[in-house]
Formats: sequence, C-alpha cells, structure tokens
Amino acid sequence: AQSVTQPDIHITVSEGASLELRCNYSYGATPYLFWYVQSPGQGLQLLLKYFSGDTLVQGIKGFEAEFKRSQSSFNLRKPSVHWSDAAEYFCAVGGIGSGNTGKLIFGQGTTLQVKP
Amino acid sequence: NAGVTQTPKFRVLKTGQSMTLLCAQDMNHEYMYWYRQDPGMGLRLIHYSVGEGTTAKGEVPDGYNVSRLKKQNFLLGLESAAPSQTSVYFCASSYAGTPYEQYFGPGTRLTVT
Repeated sequence: AQSVTQPDIHITVSEGASLELRCNYSYGATPYLFWYVQSPGQGLQLLLKYFSGDTLVQGIKGFEAEFKRSQSSFNLRKPSVHWSDAAEYFCAVGGIGSGNTGKLIFGQGTTLQVKP
Repeated sequence: NAGVTQTPKFRVLKTGQSMTLLCAQDMNHEYMYWYRQDPGMGLRLIHYSVGEGTTAKGEVPDGYNVSRLKKQNFLLGLESAAPSQTSVYFCASSYAGTPYEQYFGPGTRLTVT
C-alpha cells in the first residue's frame, strides 16, 4: 500500500539554525509531492509542491525541498529558522491511482519547536 | 473573502447521537474534502466531492455520510457517533485544475463520550 513516512515526530532547533525535515514515500511510480504546514489551532497551508522537472523546489516562507528518486525522499529544508516557523509540518503524496481528484495521503507529521 | 469556514468549532456528543458538520467556501472551488486528524496519524481523507451533487469515499469513510447540494457547501454527517470518531475534522477545497493545492478550514474538534 502507498504510504508516507516522516521519521521524526518532534524536532527542536535554535532560532537561526538550519532545518531539515525528512519525508519518505512508498509508491511504485513518482507521485506528486507536497509539504503542508499547520500552525497551532489553524488549518493546513501549502508550503510547496513537486510534480516533475527540477528536483529542487522553492516554496513560501523561505522553505525549499529536494526530490530524490533513488531514496524515495522529499526532504524539507530552511537555511535559517525563525521563531514563527514553530508548527507542525506534513508531507503528502498525490496523483496515486486513476483520476486527478486531489486525493492526498499524509505523513504522520513532524512538530517543530524553535528555541530562542 | 472568508475562505473555508467550518461550523461548529467544538462539539461534545454522547455515543449514539448524531450531528452534522458544515463546511462552506467562497472561492468558487469545484472540489471539496473532509479529513480527520488523529495524533500520530496525520490527516486521513473521509469523503470528497468533485462537484455539486457528487460525492465519493476516501480512505476512512465508514460511519460518515456526506452531501454536496450546493457548490459552496459540503456537509459531513455522523448518524450514530462512536468514541472512535473523537477527532479533529478538517474541510478543504480546491480548484479542479489544481486539486492538490487545497485550502483548509480551521477545523472542528469533536469529542464523543
């Protein structure tokens, strides 16, 4: 079955430090790949997406992600974390199965804590 | 422009009671979705709709029903609530041309005792 794994449940980084959140997927073909962010008490917001082409994609709020086919990974990175980046981050895959209905499979989420 | 709104924000039900969650969007999106979020499990798709009058099952549809009588509204019903349905429910919507770029509502926290 298709699945999305985020190995790190909780990560703490200092403000100004770099960040990398891991995401691995299990699927025969290359799915569409996404990162969403959920601030406390809020709904989810799309950070960035990958469909094809350049494997390094830029998103909002200074985030980027790199697709590595050989590792079935789509890790999220930010060079310098700000206190406002504290949130829960979800990796998701789409484009699985027939039709283009927007069905997403989400990972378990990674909670990011930022130390002052 | 309110985006995606959900009613109510919080609700406590007793086992066996029924209720309806309302989702409304003012972006003229064709597609709408209902997810549930449980600790350590991410979001799971319950039902979705690709247009007015059409609905389809997602990953975890059992115990829920949905209706999309108007393009802007998507209702999620629980006919006989169970404690296993305690969760945070999110509605989302998207344009048909960009179905994976979903806009989420703020969520409804439901507790079934």
